[in-house]
Amino acid sequence: GDSVTQMEGPVTLSEEAFLTINCTYTATGYPSLFWYVQYPGEGLQLLLKATKADDKGSNKGFEATYRKETTSFHLEKGSVQVSDSAVYFCALFNTGTASKLTFGTGTRLQVTL
Amino acid sequence: GAGVSQSPSNKVTEKGKDVELRCDPISGHTALYWYRQSLGQGLEFLIYFQGNSAPDKSGLPSDRFSAERTGGSVSTLTIQRTQQEDSAVYLCASSLAGAGQANEKLFFGSGTQLSVL
Repeated sequence: GDSVTQMEGPVTLSEEAFLTINCTYTATGYPSLFWYVQYPGEGLQLLLKATKADDKGSNKGFEATYRKETTSFHLEKGSVQVSDSAVYFCALFNTGTASKLTFGTGTRLQVTL
Repeated sequence: GAGVSQSPSNKVTEKGKDVELRCDPISGHTALYWYRQSLGQGLEFLIYFQGNSAPDKSGLPSDRFSAERTGGSVSTLTIQRTQQEDSAVYLCASSLAGAGQANEKLFFGSGTQLSVL
């Protein structure tokens, strides 16, 4: 079945550091890929998405590129802020085989001054 | 309402009791999902509704778990004879269109924290 694997956290960075959170997936067909973010005390919200190979999703300075050859969708940000501290979830939606988002286990990011 | 609303926000219960968790989706959203978020386990899919029917119940962990949706709106997740391993955050999400939409965007509620003592 479909699955998503993301790097374990927590990830602790200083403000303005470069961020990479790795995400790889296993799926048949051509899934859509997503990053969701959960800020402290809030519900999950969509951060960015990509629906086909080589697409780049971007939002709030975050980027992720859909790499079919490596089945990856790594999240990056050039300069993190304290306000980016949250849990980040990689997910896929496979219209061919499933009716729901399949999530990774989440990666907690802590940004310090 | 403006967003997905879940109640209660916190529920503490004794082992063996039944609990009901409620979800009010965004008005007009036809698809509704229940997920479970356990410590260190990520988000685990439970059930998906399209309107009032549930074409995918594959994630319900046992027959102690059931869910219904009425009027294409409110959904209730019921856990019978709760066990300690049921302790988790139960998340509800809704979306406009549901399965088959490549640009699926889910809107999540803040969840119900269930603690089984």
